[in-house]
Amino acid sequence: QTVVTQEPSFSVSPGGTVTLTCGLSSGSVSTDNYPSWYQQTPGQPPRALIYFANTRSSGVPERFSGSILGNKAALTITGAQADDESDYYCVLYMGSGIWVFGGGTKLTVL
Amino acid sequence: QITLKESGPTLVKPTQTLTLTCTVSGLSLSTSGVDVGWIRQPPGKALEWLANIYWDGDKRYSPSLKSRLTITRDTSKTQVVLTLTNVDPVDTGTYYCVRNWWERRFFDSWGQGTLVTVSS
Repeated sequence: QTVVTQEPSFSVSPGGTVTLTCGLSSGSVSTDNYPSWYQQTPGQPPRALIYFANTRSSGVPERFSGSILGNKAALTITGAQADDESDYYCVLYMGSGIWVFGGGTKLTVL
Repeated sequence: QITLKESGPTLVKPTQTLTLTCTVSGLSLSTSGVDVGWIRQPPGKALEWLANIYWDGDKRYSPSLKSRLTITRDTSKTQVVLTLTNVDPVDTGTYYCVRNWWERRFFDSWGQGTLVTVSS
């Protein structure tokens, strides 16, 4: 069974830069997996951030960027702000109409 | 403006069947490249993709839940229905209806979610 891996938690200082990653238990993440990223605050539905690895969704600030780094997808926040403190989820398309979410990363800004 | 709204029971007993409805506005379910799906989230846990139904009526399910899930649609009502049979307390969580932008494999629109508790 495919497992999508994310760091359980991460912290960043206000104004700092942080990179969250999204990997596969076996194999490498590529654009064939159409990596996408979502931000979720407590009690709210997820908000779409990044699709196709590196394209920002409408209205998403430029401080959020996506990429493929080595064998993983990555979400970088440059100049972190207090309201970036959230849970971040990646999801990978595995083909045949199947998606698998990662376990999420809890980001603390302090 | 696309909106998705989930509805259904808030409490279901173990072994019963859960039926959830997603009412979609601003979108035709028959438009090529559009599919609607369901994603759930147990309290304090990660998101889990469940199922999608495509513009041509094709359906896809999470392999781990495939035997218990059914997704259907009523294009005239722009509704998508998810049924989950033989529920268990581990099925407790918030169930989200989502629009998937197929060309980009991207869940770009989410409903507010509906919390379902499985308990006797």
